[in-house]
Parts: sequence; structure tokens; C-alpha cells
Amino acid sequence: QKEVEQNSGPLSVPEGAIASLNCTYSDRGSQSFFWYRQYSGKSPELIMSIYSNGDKEDGRFTAQLNKASQYVSLLIRDSQPSDSATYLCAVLSGAGSYQLTFGKGTKLSVIP
Amino acid sequence: SQTIHQWPATLVQPVGSPLSLECTVEGTSNPNLYWYRQAAGRGLQLLFYSVGIGQISSEVPQNLSASRPQDRQFILSSKKLLLSDSGFYLCAWSVGFLEQYFGPGTRLTVT
Repeated sequence: QKEVEQNSGPLSVPEGAIASLNCTYSDRGSQSFFWYRQYSGKSPELIMSIYSNGDKEDGRFTAQLNKASQYVSLLIRDSQPSDSATYLCAVLSGAGSYQLTFGKGTKLSVIP
Repeated sequence: SQTIHQWPATLVQPVGSPLSLECTVEGTSNPNLYWYRQAAGRGLQLLFYSVGIGQISSEVPQNLSASRPQDRQFILSSKKLLLSDSGFYLCAWSVGFLEQYFGPGTRLTVT
């Protein structure tokens, strides 16, 4: 059974701070990793993808991957109230795999 | 650019009634298509995926079925809804087996 674990939160950070969201996965053969943002009542929106060890930056977002530790994280710099949402970690196992395994999400609240 | 549509946006149906949800994608050819369900307090669950017209793979045995009558159209159906079918139904597309992009979703309440 492939599992993706996230702290459910809520994670509260003050406006302007760095929010750190963490995710661990069980399938060591996983190849591709994604972060989705889901506002309440809306569908998930892809915000980051990462495929190799290390950091990947896109604007205020940085994804970090450590395959040896089976750990992926998302950092949000200069957090804004509009970042308040549930963040879903998703993992795609193996080359040619179709099935994304999702964590249950971490709810982030950015306090003005 | 690619766009994905789902309808209806919300639906309230009695137990035992049929269901048909539709998803269409614009701006891409031969996408992989997916149906997910997100139930309250639970994660996203893959229900079906399709790599081409008429090709459907089921992930979870249940009273739901899917069809892909056209390249960019994906339909989720049921002959008789159960209370447990309530949830947020999401269609997604991808090119190959990379990033998946979700539609706006259909919120289904079975009463």
C-alpha cells in the first residue's frame, strides 16, 4: 500500500513569515512529486513539481526533495493571507505510472 | 492554452437515482483523463483513468462506471446512487504521465 503522509495542521504562520509544509512517502520507487493548493470548496491547483533531489524555486515557493529520506517539502516565503489553503502532496510512482497518490493535506492559515 | 470543463457544478440526487457527470478538455489532443473523488475528511481517491477513446481502467470496485466516447470527453455514470457516493468529483487531464490538472469539480450530495 503506497502511502503519503502529511501533518493535517492547521499550521498557522504570521503574514510575511516562511511556511514549511512537509510530506513523507512510503514507495521508494517514486519518481515524481507534486504540490497542489486547494482553497476551500475549490479543486486542487498544481503549484510545484519536482523530479530530482535538491531544491526547486518558483517565485515565493521552493520545493525540496530528498529521495534517500523519502521526504519532500514546500516552503512558502513571505506568506500572504491569500496563501491560506490546504496543501496536498502527491507522489507518482515509477516511470510510466499513471496513479498519483495524495496525502490528506495540510491546512495552512496565514494570520494578517 | 488548455481548459477543462465539468458539469454540473453541484448536484443533489436521491438514493437509487442515476448519475451522469461530464468532463471535457480543450486545447490538447489525446490527453490522459482521470476521475477522482474527494470525500469529506478523506484524501483524493482515483476512480478511473483513460489513455484513449474507449480505454477505461477502474481503480476501485463500486457502482460507478466511466466512458470516453470522444478524445477529449470523459463521462462518469451510475445506474443507482448510494449515500456513500456523495463527494466532490474531480476530472483531471495530463499529457503522458506527468503533471495532472484538475477541473472545477462537481459536488454531489446523495439524499
